[in-house]
Amino acid sequence: KQEVTQIPAALSVPEGENLVLNCSFTDSAIYNLQWFRQDPGKGLTSLLLIQSSQREQTSGRLNASLDKSSGRSTLYIAASQPGDSATYLCAVRLRDSSYKLIFGSGTRLLVRP
Amino acid sequence: DAGVIQSPRHEVTEMGQEVTLRCKPISGHDYLFWYRQTMMRGLELLIYFNNNVPIDDSGMPEDRFSAKMPNASFSTLKIQPSEPRDSAVYFCASSPDRGYYEQYFGPGTRLTVT
Repeated sequence: KQEVTQIPAALSVPEGENLVLNCSFTDSAIYNLQWFRQDPGKGLTSLLLIQSSQREQTSGRLNASLDKSSGRSTLYIAASQPGDSATYLCAVRLRDSSYKLIFGSGTRLLVRP
Repeated sequence: DAGVIQSPRHEVTEMGQEVTLRCKPISGHDYLFWYRQTMMRGLELLIYFNNNVPIDDSGMPEDRFSAKMPNASFSTLKIQPSEPRDSAVYFCASSPDRGYYEQYFGPGTRLTVT
């Protein structure tokens, strides 16, 4: 059974720092991995999607990497800003005929001004 | 383009009452997903549809929960009768049947059952 773990559960950093959020999964047979952002009381916004054949994806100050063999993904945020404060979730889609996403429990990020 | 639309945004009801949550997916998306988010269990997939047909409902917690998709632009999730442990945020998401099948989420419905 696929399990997705995110560490740390919460993170507080001063503005301007570069930071890394971690996501690990137990079954490497994945189709893709998505990173989402969730603001309090809001839905999920997709940030980056990495296919299983890819190693990384970049969007602005965000860079996501994928190491399928070790069951790990990282989300790198450069030059963090207070507006980056949110909960970040990773989710994997299994390499089967289903379209299920298995979510981690998230990392709650606070960027202090 | 309008995103996924959910209504109501907030629902407070008493135990035993019927609750109906509604979702309008993004036009042209062939997949629709219903998720539930709680502090204890995180985000869980309840059921998903492809071209209005339920494909996998293994995440539906019990018979009190039912979901329908009568057409490509509308879906409902019904709880009857509701219980306090059903209190959660319910999300609807949709995905195109092409490309990377990226899922787009609605703003959610916060349900409180007293």
